[in-house]
Amino acid sequence: DTGVSQDPRHKITKRGQNVTFRCDPISEHNRLYWYRQTLGQGPEFLTYFQNEAQLEKSRLLSDRFSAERPKGSFSTLEIQRTEQGDSAMYLCASSLFSGTNEKLFFGSGTQLSVL
Amino acid sequence: AQTVTQSQPEMSVQEAETVTLSCTYDTSESDYYLFWYKQPPSRQMILVIRQEAYKQQNATENRFSVNFQKAAKSFSLKISDSQLGDAAMYFCAYRSKNNDMRFGAGTRLTVKP
Repeated sequence: DTGVSQDPRHKITKRGQNVTFRCDPISEHNRLYWYRQTLGQGPEFLTYFQNEAQLEKSRLLSDRFSAERPKGSFSTLEIQRTEQGDSAMYLCASSLFSGTNEKLFFGSGTQLSVL
Repeated sequence: AQTVTQSQPEMSVQEAETVTLSCTYDTSESDYYLFWYKQPPSRQMILVIRQEAYKQQNATENRFSVNFQKAAKSFSLKISDSQLGDAAMYFCAYRSKNNDMRFGAGTRLTVKP
């Protein structure tokens, strides 16, 4: 068990550029979550997948944001035409959801800075 | 939508003493789960303790215990015999039976030697 892995750890980009983050969940975990966290705040829910199906998206997830989990394993989060307000830590978490019990395991996050 | 409120932005405790972090939540559901997560400076979230709403008995994990008051929608975390390594941001979180997890704004805990 290598834990939840996120890549890259840090990303610096210029406003208007596109960025893509990757998350590799713990193998056999069926749920995968994306959260965004700004300094001094709690994680804000963005979206989550159960296997390859995207079950819910937050209203925070504008049209510039898209997430995929094509094979029900790793996931990507893409932000198009980045804005300075997108600067944040993007956290991924995975879990083995069985309907009655769920424990989330978080990755170390990708810190995005938009200049 | 469910909301989670942590009214203490910062707390401090003397090493070896006990500290209680507060959390309240708003929900119309009867079946849900509550969590406390710890986030050290490394920014990785670590599960501290979990409570199922249908269980009346308060969860305990070593030095960590909760006071779950379902009627009051309160879920406080007690840390006994505080250690320097307990210093971190602590987040209270709520999850309904089939839905996503929502977090409070966090409490920064400082442990004084």
